[in-house]
Amino acid sequence: QQPVQSPQAVILREGEDAVINCSSSKALYSVHWYRQKHGEAPVFLMILLKGGEQKGHEKISASFNEKKQQSSLYLTASQLSYSGTYFCGTESEDFVFGPGTRLSVLP
Amino acid sequence: DAGVIQSPRHEVTEMGQEVTLRCKPISGHNSLFWYRQTMMRGLELLIYFNNNVPIDDSGMPEDRFSAKMPNASFSTLKIQPSEPRDSAVYFCASSWAGSSNQPQHFGDGTRLSIL
Repeated sequence: QQPVQSPQAVILREGEDAVINCSSSKALYSVHWYRQKHGEAPVFLMILLKGGEQKGHEKISASFNEKKQQSSLYLTASQLSYSGTYFCGTESEDFVFGPGTRLSVLP
Repeated sequence: DAGVIQSPRHEVTEMGQEVTLRCKPISGHNSLFWYRQTMMRGLELLIYFNNNVPIDDSGMPEDRFSAKMPNASFSTLKIQPSEPRDSAVYFCASSWAGSSNQPQHFGDGTRLSIL
């Protein structure tokens, strides 16, 4: 069953912050985050394992609440290069990508 | 190091023809994934292999689709006969030791158009 991502799309000005959420109805082992730019392949950002850890990549960080089966991706002081579609992938008895969140950063 | 290599990058063919997509995973990776991406259905996992053995093919849409991994460095996804609704971007990805806590590295994809 596909995880739910919200929002579906978000438009930011350069320097603004954003949060992308991912939730599942299943107990999760891990959550993956990927970014895909238009016409390109998805690129790995980070993996979060059970334990509620938080990770960071550049000014992008994420958290995982295993009790709520939820993960959030935090984009701080967004840059033009952050534009793209962000996918979470959730691992339970299978691995499924969410529908994606389209992020547009404007100058 | 070379990443995941897919071929062809683009394929245009007529309905009913056989289509074969190819993938070379990253050397040393022992898991390989085939995905299909469309606007309507997003990124769908079709099948994944672990140590050249198909583990989960529940995402393969129907019998017209088949996938093989004859050795650790090569996999194919075949569609026969092809239909217009098969038009999509097909990605191959590889990782070390399955999907758990290891990133998947994607190839550039094959953009398939069935006329």
